Amino acid sequence: EPEVTQTPSHQVTQMGQEVILRCVPISNHLYFYWYRQILGQKVEFLVSFYNNEISEKSEIFDDQFSVERPDGSNFTLKIRSTKLEDSAMYFCASSVEGNEQYFGPGTRLTVT
Amino acid sequence: RKEVEQDPGPFNVPEGATVAFNCTYSNSASQSFFWYRQDCRKEPKLLMSVYSSGNEDGRFTAQLNRASQYISLLIRDSKLSDSATYLCVIQETGRRALTFGSGTRLQVQP
Repeated sequence: EPEVTQTPSHQVTQMGQEVILRCVPISNHLYFYWYRQILGQKVEFLVSFYNNEISEKSEIFDDQFSVERPDGSNFTLKIRSTKLEDSAMYFCASSVEGNEQYFGPGTRLTVT
Repeated sequence: RKEVEQDPGPFNVPEGATVAFNCTYSNSASQSFFWYRQDCRKEPKLLMSVYSSGNEDGRFTAQLNRASQYISLLIRDSKLSDSATYLCVIQETGRRALTFGSGTRLQVQP
């Protein structure tokens, strides 16, 4: 069964550094998403991406964040200057259309 | 008022029991509804979509009451492997974003 994959599984970075989280969505899916989950809290939407552009974003997704689909398979989330409060689990998801979304295993980001 | 409200639990039930989870949502513009399950420190996994007519998948039954803005999930014949957090998730009309509840934790005991 096709799955969303994410790398790395765990990323440790220092405050102020840039990080890039990588995702490979399911191959025939057209919509891609990033969500995050701070430890002990609920899953929160960050951004959705369709047809090579951002289709929707939340208030969390400020100028420090960007997304890119650099080739036909990868989908990346970049955080330019990490803050302590960016520490969370980041989940990539994809869907054929805009509804049933399938999540990857996540990248645990720890900012020190 | 929270957008999606769930009883956090935990629900501790013996194997074989029937357990029901409820969820209420505040935005009447919500269009699509889902139940996901999440194991500790893992990703949310889609359990089932919830349709207006109600739907069943094996031991799992989901119901939607749009008038009361209420969704339920019933699990029959609980297994140890059903132990997880169950997330009520909604999607508003015209939006891609999923809005998650905080989840209800289920612990099935032998």
